[in-house]
Amino acid sequence: EAGVTQFPSHSVIEKGQTVTLRCDPISGHDNLYWYRRVMGKEIKFLLHFVKESKQDESGMPNNRFLAERTGGTYSTLKVQPAELEDSGVYFCASSPLQWTGELFFGEGSRLTVL
Amino acid sequence: DQQVKQNSPSLSVQEGRISILNCDYTNSMFDYFLWYKKYPAEGPTFLISISSIKDKNEDGRFTVFLNKSAKHLSLHIVPSQPGDSAVYFCAANFGNEKLTFGTGTRLTIIP
Repeated sequence: EAGVTQFPSHSVIEKGQTVTLRCDPISGHDNLYWYRRVMGKEIKFLLHFVKESKQDESGMPNNRFLAERTGGTYSTLKVQPAELEDSGVYFCASSPLQWTGELFFGEGSRLTVL
Repeated sequence: DQQVKQNSPSLSVQEGRISILNCDYTNSMFDYFLWYKKYPAEGPTFLISISSIKDKNEDGRFTVFLNKSAKHLSLHIVPSQPGDSAVYFCAANFGNEKLTFGTGTRLTIIP
């Protein structure tokens, strides 16, 4: 069974440009989460989808970040326009609707804003 | 305001000895605690967890201890092996499954 997959694995863009990160959760997982880790800091919650609905977006830094999960399958996280402080590793995680005691993480998308 | 704290950014332990990683939390609502392990360029992988109704959970070489009164948990790895070298994240949640993570502790096992 395929795990959580994320694309791209690494993206280098200039300040002011736009980047879109994609996450494909484990098949059948209705919960999908986005997290971010800035160098040396904690893995910080961004938002949580249940199917196609945003359950909690309290961690989204500002309105330059837009997450979607059309159809309740894969999700995208767009940063527009990107700023230097957006650099970090963006992790996606998924879990079944019924809590099983863990989240399954993807390998992350590293974003570098120059 | 960090609700989950890992105050040791790094730890080095001799192979075969015990590794003890510590984690403190401030939110008394947390009722479930997890440890994740992360290798470079990979995502975090689940290691072990403990519910607040217990004070110890063991899985092979890994044991997690929870002290609710002190709001403290620890992960014990014994014996430590070279493959245990990784960054370990402590995480906690209550009810809604959103995990709150600490900053991680980089464990290095010295052969």
